[in-house]
Amino acid sequence: EAQVTQNPRYLITVTGKKLTVTCSQNMNHEYMSWYRQDPGLGLRQIYYSMNVEVTDKGDVPEGYKVSRKEKRNFPLILESPSPNQTSLYFCASSLVRGSGANVLTFGAGSRLTVL
Amino acid sequence: DAKTTQPNSMESNEEEPVHLPCNHSTISGTDYIHWYRQLPSQGPEYVIHGLTSNVNNRMASLAIAEDRKSSTLILHRATLRDAAVYYCIPPRDYKLSFGAGTTVTVRA
Repeated sequence: EAQVTQNPRYLITVTGKKLTVTCSQNMNHEYMSWYRQDPGLGLRQIYYSMNVEVTDKGDVPEGYKVSRKEKRNFPLILESPSPNQTSLYFCASSLVRGSGANVLTFGAGSRLTVL
Repeated sequence: DAKTTQPNSMESNEEEPVHLPCNHSTISGTDYIHWYRQLPSQGPEYVIHGLTSNVNNRMASLAIAEDRKSSTLILHRATLRDAAVYYCIPPRDYKLSFGAGTTVTVRA
């Protein structure tokens, strides 16, 4: 089944304890992206990647890092989490089509709580 | 960047059609319009997309205005499972965030 898999789905951690949220897709998609969703603010893009070793900032990159060493994986790293990073996180992927017809496939989400 | 405007919420009765408007007056001539929806406690899912002409699929229809400054997502017969947040976005490039969307409530 074609899918985007995120882990963990739920995590409670403490301020300053480094964590990684993994994202993996099995559709051979070039493009991958991370979003955070907060009440009333929609989905805001954190980072995105057009292909292996190509990443760029979205609208809210502060406090996050990403890497794209393999095409299928795009982990989100919080080096020193803070309570304002408590949020629901989504990973998405798509083919890269210059016409703008690229359709995103989303993961199920990872709910992160930073105490 | 092209921006979109959607109503915050809409209500419908079950089995009735739902028309969800989206204003995208700053869209360029080559920007597709995409619609996604997010069911409660799930990630967003693709609904439909189009460029100039009206589009239909098993989930919905998309009517795009002739001047392309607006579009309407049509759910022909709303069911309780259509209760969700619906997002209209122009994915011109890959730096893309979603706004708050339209929350659709379906009454039984």
